[in-house]
Amino acid sequence: KAGVTQTPRYLIKTRGQQVTLSCSPISGHRSVSWYQQTPGQGLQFLFEYFSETQRNKGNFPGRFSGRQFSNSRSEMNVSTLELGDSALYLCASSLDIGGADTQYFGPGTRLTVL
Amino acid sequence: AQSVTQLGSHVSVSEGALVLLRCNYSSSVPPYLFWYVQYPNQGLQLLLKYTTGATLVKGINGFEAEFKKSETSFHLTKPSAHMSDAAEYFCAVSLTGTASKLTFGTGTRLQVTL
Repeated sequence: KAGVTQTPRYLIKTRGQQVTLSCSPISGHRSVSWYQQTPGQGLQFLFEYFSETQRNKGNFPGRFSGRQFSNSRSEMNVSTLELGDSALYLCASSLDIGGADTQYFGPGTRLTVL
Repeated sequence: AQSVTQLGSHVSVSEGALVLLRCNYSSSVPPYLFWYVQYPNQGLQLLLKYTTGATLVKGINGFEAEFKKSETSFHLTKPSAHMSDAAEYFCAVSLTGTASKLTFGTGTRLQVTL
C-alpha cells in the first residue's frame, strides 16, 4: 500500500499570501490529522477530520483551516501568512478515529514564509 | 489535559552501547503511548505503541519500551546502538475516546558515535 502523500513538498510564500496544502491518506484510512512542526514549538496538533467533519481542533488562530473530501483526501489552508507560519506541516492518517489507532505520517510540506 | 516530558534533548551513545531515552507523561485518564522516530527531512515513523495489555512493548529495529503506571513513564530502550539509529525520537500520548490527537514531547536527538 502506498503511504501518506503530501503535496507540494516545499513551498515558498511571502507574508500576506495564502497557501493550500494537500494530503492523500493511506487507502482505506478515514481519519486525517494535521500537525505543525517548528524548532521553537515542536510538534503541535492543528486539527483532525473524519467523515468530512472536523472532529478536533488545536489552539491555532482562525487563519488555519482545513477540509476533508468524500475520498478522505484533506487540504489545509493558511490565509494571511505570517513569518511565524514557516514550519514543516505534517499530515497523518489512521483507519478510524480514536486514541488507540496508529497515525501514519506523510513526509511533510516545508513552508517558508518570506 | 495530557502532557509529555522527554528528559534530555540530546543523547550521545557509542555504537554497541545501550540506548535509553526517557519519557514521562501526565494524564487524567489511562493513556495510549507512542514512540516515533524522525530522520532528517522525513516524516514520523512509528517505532512502537502501548494501548492495553502487556506493559513491555516490542517495536521495530530492536527497540522496546515499558509502560510503568506507578512511575508515569514509558522509556524507550535498545540493547545495542547502531549508527543507523541516529535520529530524533518523539514520545507521544493520546487519550481514550473519539479523538486521535497526539500530544508530543519535545523530542530527543540521538547521536551514535564510533
